[in-house]
Amino acid sequence: DTGVSQDPRHKITKRGQNVTFRCDPISEHNRLYWYRQTLGQGPEFLTYFQNEAQLEKSRLLSDRFSAERPKGSFSTLEIQRTEQGDSAMYLCASSLTGGRGYGYTFGSGTRLTVV
Amino acid sequence: EDKVVQSPLSLVVHEGDTVTLNCSYEVTNFRSLLWYKQEKKAPTFLFMLTSSGIEKKSGRLSSILDKKELFSILNITATQTGDSAVYLCASNAGKSTFGDGTTLTVKP
Repeated sequence: DTGVSQDPRHKITKRGQNVTFRCDPISEHNRLYWYRQTLGQGPEFLTYFQNEAQLEKSRLLSDRFSAERPKGSFSTLEIQRTEQGDSAMYLCASSLTGGRGYGYTFGSGTRLTVV
Repeated sequence: EDKVVQSPLSLVVHEGDTVTLNCSYEVTNFRSLLWYKQEKKAPTFLFMLTSSGIEKKSGRLSSILDKKELFSILNITATQTGDSAVYLCASNAGKSTFGDGTTLTVKP
């Protein structure tokens, strides 16, 4: 297993366009998380899945953001009508579940620039 | 809302120094406290702490959790330039809530 993969690595888009990112987790991990990180800040929670079920979505997330994890494998994060404030690094992570929890394995991230 | 606060925000030391990084948390349904190291890209997992007073150690890094006072510390002894990074603390309660990190710079 090569770890958590994210695609693309970089995305530059014009304001108002839609973008979609993909994440392929570690195959035996049943939890998948999306976070957003801006310079000088820690990762900010967006949403997470256990298998194909979306268990929680941040209240701070606008309706322009949607995520899916069909069949409990890879996940996509879509941002509609992008705004300059959406510029950030989008991190995907996966983990096992159970007990006290497990550390995350992060992907390398997708850096989004909205111009 | 869950909250994790780290201090100091940044720290500059010389090689060979010992550093202590702090993390306090207010979390509903707390399960564990995790430490990550972030260099240029994604965070990498260092420790997970679930029980108070039990030190976790990996080489020159060690960490301990106090569940009564709701904080954790990360110690790095005999620092090296390769320890320069952002150190993130996160609570785990289903999902993880991260602090904003401590930026450690180790000068030769």
